[in-house]
Amino acid sequence: NAGVTQTPKFQVLKTGQSMTLQCAQDMNHEYMSWYRQDPGMGLRLIHYSVGAGITDQGEVPNGYNVSRSTTEDFPLRLLSAAPSQTSVYFCASSPTAPPGNTIYFGEGSWLTVV
Amino acid sequence: KNEVEQSPQNLTAQEGEFITINCSYSVGISALHWLQQHPGGGIVSLFMLSSGKKKHGRLIATINIQEKHSSLHITASHPRDSAVYICAASDNYGQNFVFGPGTRLSVLP
Repeated sequence: NAGVTQTPKFQVLKTGQSMTLQCAQDMNHEYMSWYRQDPGMGLRLIHYSVGAGITDQGEVPNGYNVSRSTTEDFPLRLLSAAPSQTSVYFCASSPTAPPGNTIYFGEGSWLTVV
Repeated sequence: KNEVEQSPQNLTAQEGEFITINCSYSVGISALHWLQQHPGGGIVSLFMLSSGKKKHGRLIATINIQEKHSSLHITASHPRDSAVYICAASDNYGQNFVFGPGTRLSVLP
């Protein structure tokens, strides 16, 4: 059972570089989301999607782009990496929008920007 | 102001002890979730509840809607319960979660 798969697990970037964090789910979930987790803080929502072709901003969207061309995939793009984007990133999905639905998380991606 | 708060922030217990982690929220919610994050980072959903009480093995979750408070209890704690426990509220209007900061639990043998 694959569930939610994130890649890469670890990445080091130089300031100004761009990269894409991949997220795929095989549960036919409509809702997908990206969070960042920083020490001492709760998970914060970056972007989310309620279905293919639909995306919206969360609490901390600046510096990140997303797209949802298929139900399965929801990549997160860092356009020009900054040290402030050093964090652990989690992708998550649920059958529909969270209220009333269990949410499934990927294993996390550790990103360091130097 | 964090809309979801947890206490304690850190908790150390001896194996076998009864453990309680608290979650308070200020938003009107449709459901509250308890999550477990193990060392190494993976996050799994433990409970989703909107009223009353749920039990799974040694874990019990309760919620009091009027008081906007939920608790997670662990009976007969074990070192493998060592993890960060996170509560998350999904509000009545939005499509997303608001997460608490987490409670780091260490159970010593």
